[in-house]
Order: sequence, then C-alpha cells, then structure tokens
Amino acid sequence: GAGVSQSPRYKVAKRGQDVALRCDPISGHVSLFWYQQALGQGPEFLTYFQNEAQLDKSGLPSDRFFAERPEGSVSTLKIQRTQQEDSAVYLCASSFRGRTDNEQFFGPGTRLTVL
Amino acid sequence: RKEVEQDPGPFNVPEGATVAFNCTYSNSASQSFFWYRQDCRKEPKLLMSVYSSGNEDGRFTAQLNRASQYISLLIRDSKLSDSATYLCVVREQSGTYKYIFGTGTRLKVLA
Repeated sequence: GAGVSQSPRYKVAKRGQDVALRCDPISGHVSLFWYQQALGQGPEFLTYFQNEAQLDKSGLPSDRFFAERPEGSVSTLKIQRTQQEDSAVYLCASSFRGRTDNEQFFGPGTRLTVL
Repeated sequence: RKEVEQDPGPFNVPEGATVAFNCTYSNSASQSFFWYRQDCRKEPKLLMSVYSSGNEDGRFTAQLNRASQYISLLIRDSKLSDSATYLCVVREQSGTYKYIFGTGTRLKVLA
C-alpha cells in the first residue's frame, strides 16, 4: 500500500509569510508525529497525535507553530510569520497503534526554506 | 549535555570490515531504544529495536547497557549499501510519546 506522503515537497517562503505543510499518514495508523530536521542534525520531536487528539506538543518551538489532525487522518503543520531559523526539513511519521514503540514510518519530508 | 549523543563520524571503512557505533543517553528513566537508518536526503527507516538482552538481525547486532546508559550497533561484513547515517533513538520514559533522536553517525563503506 501507499506510504506516508507529504506536500509540498519543497516550499520557499519569504520571512513573515505563513505556511501550511500537509501529511497523509498510512491508512489506519493511529499515531502521527511531526519532526523538524535541520541540516546535519537528527530529527527533533515537535508534536504527537493519537487519532485526532494532540497528546504532546512539548516540542513545538514557539506559538507560531500549530498542528492539527481534525478527523484523525490527515494532519497539517502550520507555521505563522516564518523566520529564517524555521528553515529545515519537516518530517511526518505514522505508526499503527496508539501504543508507543511501534515502528514509525516516515514520509519524504517537506524542505522549507525561509528567505 | 545532549539527551542522546553520537559520534557524528564519518566512519570510512573498507567493504567486509566490522564497524561499531555507540550512543549514550542522559535520562536513566529511558524506556525504549532503536536504531534508524537515513540515506542522504531520504527519510529515516527503522533498522532495529534494541532489547535489554541484546538482539541480532543478520549482520547487525544491537546491545543495550543500562548501567552505563549506552547502546551500540555492530555491523559485520559491511557492504557498500550500508553507507548511510545511523540514528540512535530513545523514548524517554513510560507514558511519553516523545522520541529523542541523536545527531546520527555517518558511515561510508569503501570499495
């Protein structure tokens, strides 16, 4: 079946612009994660959803970052008033059950460049 | 101190060599441990989970040392296709959904 998909794959934004990044998880996957990966670094946890409930948003770097998953499937990560330090690859991952420690399947990421 | 630390490398090894990576974690309450593999400009993929008793999958062996708070990955008979970045991942404690990734160790296997 299809894996995790993300769109757009590449986004260039001017500083101060709002952006929305979309994640389509694997069908039936309960858990959904968002990560931010800067160049040369490992992914950094942003937030976690179990179905439509956002159970952990402790990794969101500021109140300019907002994520939602209203119907427990597709998720959107929104960044308001983008800054240059927001430039990174944003990865979405899903896993089958609500229990932790199932394998996370990652999407290809959205590469965001803020000018 | 970072929560999960890895030597970034690169490790350049000849084909057929055995190579080992270590990863240390700072939170003694950490519950679960994994190795993910990430190819250049691609997404991470699970390589293996790491169990307390140690576990092996073909040429790959993972070990956990809770007393010293480190995990290791051993690759035997390395192949060109093993060239990638290996990410150490830790779930900090029971009831949390937060997975902490290390910076990754870059491996290049040379012909």
